[in-house]
Amino acid sequence: GAVVSQHPSRVICKSGTSVKIECRSLDFQATTMFWYRQFPKQSLMLMATSNEGSKATYEQGVEKDKFLINHASLTLSTLTVTSAHPEDSSFYICSAIPSGGQDIQYFGAGTRLSVL
Amino acid sequence: AQRVTQPEKLLSVFKGAPVELKCNYSYSGSPELFWYVQYSRQRLQLLLRHISRESIKGFTADLNKGETSFHLKKPFAQEEDSAMYYCALNPGTYKYIFGTGTRLKVLA
Repeated sequence: GAVVSQHPSRVICKSGTSVKIECRSLDFQATTMFWYRQFPKQSLMLMATSNEGSKATYEQGVEKDKFLINHASLTLSTLTVTSAHPEDSSFYICSAIPSGGQDIQYFGAGTRLSVL
Repeated sequence: AQRVTQPEKLLSVFKGAPVELKCNYSYSGSPELFWYVQYSRQRLQLLLRHISRESIKGFTADLNKGETSFHLKKPFAQEEDSAMYYCALNPGTYKYIFGTGTRLKVLA
């Protein structure tokens, strides 16, 4: 089946530093990937839609300069949390949709970000 | 407005009892609905989608357009069914709208 790899699974950083999270589709190409944020015991909140070769589309209220998304290839999207602060601590999850086929989202295992 | 509602945050049932996880949606077009499951310490994974009309791990879900519902059912719950279940709507843009999730606990 389709596998999405997300790295790192956990990261701890100091306030003010930037953190990059990678999302890779291992056995399929993905024109579209999504980035979510999940708060404890809450549902997934869509942050942005990552489109290969073009700019990401951000949801209302999500700072594009804070959460930089790059989708440089059909198998890789990255989310960079710039100048992270404690309030950015959360669980970030990516998903990918196989290009030209079924519209099922396949999810990564998530990244737990802790900003000290 | 497009919305998915899962009214129960937590559902506890005994092993062998029937399970029904409720999902209601609000969407003006023809909906495409999914159930995703997240087992403890695992990633979110697709359980089933309404167009497949199949049974996965004993679970079924029928789309009821009249009641705008897509409830997930299983006749006999197993302990390994304990997980977080999310109902999701694809409004045609691939940007899923997720419900808030229901935690299912199957008691021995």
